[in-house]
Amino acid sequence: QVQLVQSGAEVKKPGASVKVSCKASGYTFTTYGINWVRQAPGQGLEWMAWINTTNGNTNYAQKLQGRVTLTTDTSTSTAYMELRSLSSDDTAMYYCARRGFCDSWGQGTLVTVSS
Amino acid sequence: DIVMTQSPDSLAMSLGERATISCKSSQIVLHSSNNKNYLAWYQQKPGQPPKLLIYWASTRESGVPDRFSGSGSGTDFTLTISSLQAEDVAVYYCQQYYGIPYTFGQGTKLEIK
Repeated sequence: QVQLVQSGAEVKKPGASVKVSCKASGYTFTTYGINWVRQAPGQGLEWMAWINTTNGNTNYAQKLQGRVTLTTDTSTSTAYMELRSLSSDDTAMYYCARRGFCDSWGQGTLVTVSS
Repeated sequence: DIVMTQSPDSLAMSLGERATISCKSSQIVLHSSNNKNYLAWYQQKPGQPPKLLIYWASTRESGVPDRFSGSGSGTDFTLTISSLQAEDVAVYYCQQYYGIPYTFGQGTKLEIK
């Protein structure tokens, strides 16, 4: 069955960077793109970015441009999201999800930014 | 950016009642090349990732109970739960995947009265 398994929770200081992984299984990784979506505590869903897993093309939300980078390692069917210059506003649960309409989601990775 | 607006923000219904959630997009999300509306609905329960219910505005995801249905086209869409069950208590989101950024509605919290 399709599974997306994300890396574990992270605690970071303001100004630091975080890199979250999302390992796919149960399907051919390069068939579908990967979205990254985040959810601040008690808030709604915020789309962050998309990566085409076939050619590595990316699209980023305007507000995150310059701070976020998506990459993939097709040899291990893993997608990565790196977010730099963290602030308390980046404290959130981060999800990876497959396809434009997100038919499969990772379990989420809680990133806490605190001094 | 395409802005997605859901209504109401919250909803309290009795078990067995019909629940309806509206989602309006600021631009058409119907692609003329394939006549498909790029609109999805998700259910999120506390402590869980969202779960896909409906895509292409009206196609039910495999395994989703048939009391969930989606309708609409262009800019106006509706999620209907025909007979509310206790396990349907959740927050529901619409999302357009027509154009980058793939924006979500603000969410509708559904509770049992």
